[in-house]
Amino acid sequence: KNQVEQSPQSLIILEGKNCTLQCNYTVSPFSNLRWYKQDTGRGPVSLTIMTFSENTKSNGRYTATLDADTKQSSLHITASQLSDSASYICVVSAGTSYDKVIFGPGTSLSVIP
Amino acid sequence: DAGVIQSPRHEVTEMGQEVTLRCKPISGHNSLFWYRQTMMRGLELLIYFNNNVPIDDSGMPEDRFSAKMPNASFSTLKIQPSEPRDSAVYFCASRVFQGMDGYTFGSGTRLTVV
Repeated sequence: KNQVEQSPQSLIILEGKNCTLQCNYTVSPFSNLRWYKQDTGRGPVSLTIMTFSENTKSNGRYTATLDADTKQSSLHITASQLSDSASYICVVSAGTSYDKVIFGPGTSLSVIP
Repeated sequence: DAGVIQSPRHEVTEMGQEVTLRCKPISGHNSLFWYRQTMMRGLELLIYFNNNVPIDDSGMPEDRFSAKMPNASFSTLKIQPSEPRDSAVYFCASRVFQGMDGYTFGSGTRLTVV
């Protein structure tokens, strides 16, 4: 069964600190993996997209890693800011159809001053 | 580009009433998706269209839900009759079919059925 799991479910960190969010998936065949950020009351916004051959991709203070062998991805946030408070959703695309996507449940991040 | 535009932003209705949610995708995007998000179940795909044609509606909960895309720039999701368990945030998203770009989501419609 195609599944995407994320941990932790929620996280509270102090402003300026770093944090790492985890995503494990059992999706086959794997096509690509995306991380989305969803602010409260808004739709999700894409942060990164990674294909099978990519190990690391950065977008500003966000760095995503992918280990296709262990089927794990992480999203590292450096020097967190209050505006990073949001839900972070891992999304994995399966097969050759880019329309077959599986959403993770998300990690709720709260950055406090 | 104004992005994906959804209306209304908020909808409160009484049980049994008909509800229509609207979406205008990004110009040039030929795939459109309707999602429902709840605390319990996260984001669930309800239906998606490619080139205005419904491809997969297996996520539509039941016959009370219907979706149409009469042209490339407009789609509706209708619930008739609405029930309290339909309360959720409904997102519309669009992208280029089989493109590598991610979805562009609208801001959602928060539906409350009382």
